[in-house]
Amino acid sequence: AQKVTQAQTEISVVEKEDVTLDCVYETRDTTYYLFWYKQPPSGELVFLIRRNSFDEQNEISGRYSWNFQKSTSSFNFTITASQVVDSAVYFCALSGTGNQFYFGTGTSLTVIP
Amino acid sequence: EADIYQTPRYLVIGTGKKITLECSQTMGHDKMYWYQQDPGMELHLIHYSYGVNSTEKGDLSSESTVSRIRTEHFPLTLESARPSHTSQYLCASSDSWMLSVPQYFGPGTRLLVL
Repeated sequence: AQKVTQAQTEISVVEKEDVTLDCVYETRDTTYYLFWYKQPPSGELVFLIRRNSFDEQNEISGRYSWNFQKSTSSFNFTITASQVVDSAVYFCALSGTGNQFYFGTGTSLTVIP
Repeated sequence: EADIYQTPRYLVIGTGKKITLECSQTMGHDKMYWYQQDPGMELHLIHYSYGVNSTEKGDLSSESTVSRIRTEHFPLTLESARPSHTSQYLCASSDSWMLSVPQYFGPGTRLLVL
């Protein structure tokens, strides 16, 4: 069975603090992809990053970084020096057999000025 | 950046009315999807399409129906709206069967049935 768990329902941080959003997944597929999406108050989901199951190299893009650890089935997302514009709901998703997307329940991030 | 559009953005309607939520994409993507999302909740896939004349039901049972007569257009219809249909509806598309391909989302339609 495919499943994505985001245990953090809501997080609040003060501007300029770093924040890490956790994502744990379950799958029996050997080939799969993991994604992070951002959903601002306007409603649309914006694609941020994807990682395949064979690439555990972590990535940094500006203030964003991602940590993929296959051994713990985790794909965590860190925002460095958070800004008010980062306030949104962040979804982790898994793409596996059948090319279906399995989304987590989302983590609502509030950055307080 | 994806070009996928949904109309209306907001809809308030009375019980029993028929409604159609529009979704169009200009990217020529074969696969399209409809998700239902309640506030603060995960996305639930209700319909998807592999291409023209293809429609499939998703994981969440829904009383809505969809059609795919043109590649770019994937409307969702509720024959008789009820308060339980109140939710946000998100349309998405992707251009490949490959696992690596992200889905691109429209801005969503927030539906309130009174």
